[in-house]
Amino acid sequence: QQPVQSPQAVILREGEDAVINCSSSKALYSVHWYRQKHGEAPVFLMILLKGGEQKGHEKISASFNEKKQQSSLYLTASQLSYSGTYFCGTVPNAGGTSYGKLTFGQGTILTVHP
Amino acid sequence: DSGVTQTPKHLITATGQRVTLRCSPRSGDLSVYWYQQSLDQGLQFLIQYYNGEERAKGNILERFSAQQFPDLHSELNLSSLELGDSALYFCASSVRDRMNTEAFFGQGTRLTVV
Repeated sequence: QQPVQSPQAVILREGEDAVINCSSSKALYSVHWYRQKHGEAPVFLMILLKGGEQKGHEKISASFNEKKQQSSLYLTASQLSYSGTYFCGTVPNAGGTSYGKLTFGQGTILTVHP
Repeated sequence: DSGVTQTPKHLITATGQRVTLRCSPRSGDLSVYWYQQSLDQGLQFLIQYYNGEERAKGNILERFSAQQFPDLHSELNLSSLELGDSALYFCASSVRDRMNTEAFFGQGTRLTVV
């Protein structure tokens, strides 16, 4: 089942902060965040694993509440290059081959203006 | 450059035809994932292969099939094409069979069915 992202779109001025949320109705093994610019491939930002481990780019921060199956991506001091569509992806904690099934939300469009 | 290579980049074909999309994963990656991205459906997980074997399946139509070869490249076969199959098809690869690490996306194949 597809995770739900909010908000659907955000407009910022350079230097402003934003939070993008992601929630799932299922227990999760991992949460992934990607950014995609128009017509390009999604680019990895962060992965948050059940148990607290995180891997990602230094300038990106995120949280994962395992009990609520929710994750948030924090974008601080935004730059023009942050513009794009942010996707949250979730992997269910259902065992077996489900650990390979990364399902993405509908995306959040972030626009940063000068 | 993610290291994942997809060919061709663009494909235009008529309804009812069959096409094959090819993906070469990053060196050392054993898992290949296929995604379909259309405007109204976002990034839809189709299927995962790990070291030649099918591991996880998403919303893949019966008209679509995939395989991963001994050299680890993968092909996605789409048959009896319909207008609604027009989309951007992404391949991604990762090291392991489970999504506890980042996946690298190729640049995609844009399929247009006319």
